[in-house]
Amino acid sequence: QKEVEQNSGPLSVPEGAIASLNCTYSDRGSQSFFWYRQYSGKSPELIMFIYSNGDKEDGRFTAQLNKASQYVSLLIRDSQPSDSATYLCAVILMVPTGNQFYFGTGTSLTVIP
Amino acid sequence: DTEVTQTPKHLVMGMTNKKSLKCEQHMGHRAMYWYKQKAKKPPELMFVYSYEKLSINESVPSRFSPECPNSSLLNLHLHALQPEDSALYLCASSQDRYNEQFFGPGTRLTVL
Repeated sequence: QKEVEQNSGPLSVPEGAIASLNCTYSDRGSQSFFWYRQYSGKSPELIMFIYSNGDKEDGRFTAQLNKASQYVSLLIRDSQPSDSATYLCAVILMVPTGNQFYFGTGTSLTVIP
Repeated sequence: DTEVTQTPKHLVMGMTNKKSLKCEQHMGHRAMYWYKQKAKKPPELMFVYSYEKLSINESVPSRFSPECPNSSLLNLHLHALQPEDSALYLCASSQDRYNEQFFGPGTRLTVL
């Protein structure tokens, strides 16, 4: 089992719809969870982080964390064509060599005008 | 200053060349990272420096040699690379290994 798993997509949603991106992780001890957006040819950009169970909202973005189910998601409301990108879930996992940052494989999102 | 900078933006090198990639941050972060990213794949961790000490080396070939001259700078020395090493090389930094990472713009490396 991979440490962090995402559906690779591609995910297509119409403009104005809600895009839902999902991520599962393997380590019950994980405490820190992140969502990055990466446009083609650019570097990853941090858009959300969440440490506690429940929802965290920032503008059109909502991160949801359920530690019991080892599941973190990102909702994008009122999706815009400019949201078309790859979204990377990242988790800090406890490993023998110390805390390590693991990325999921990314979900490609296309917002159709 | 909330940026991580990387130079050069693009680099083309032959298999016999020696070159270096540079990364700098002035956020007071004490952890710095090198990643390699191929097209349509997630970033792949290469090295982690924590408090200027190499703490993780993910079995990277010795033709890649990292260096951390001080807490703000991170270099990646390249020698005798192969064409399959062509990729986007990303530098990142974080307050420490427990916090979110901030990425530089990357260096697009092509090995001929």
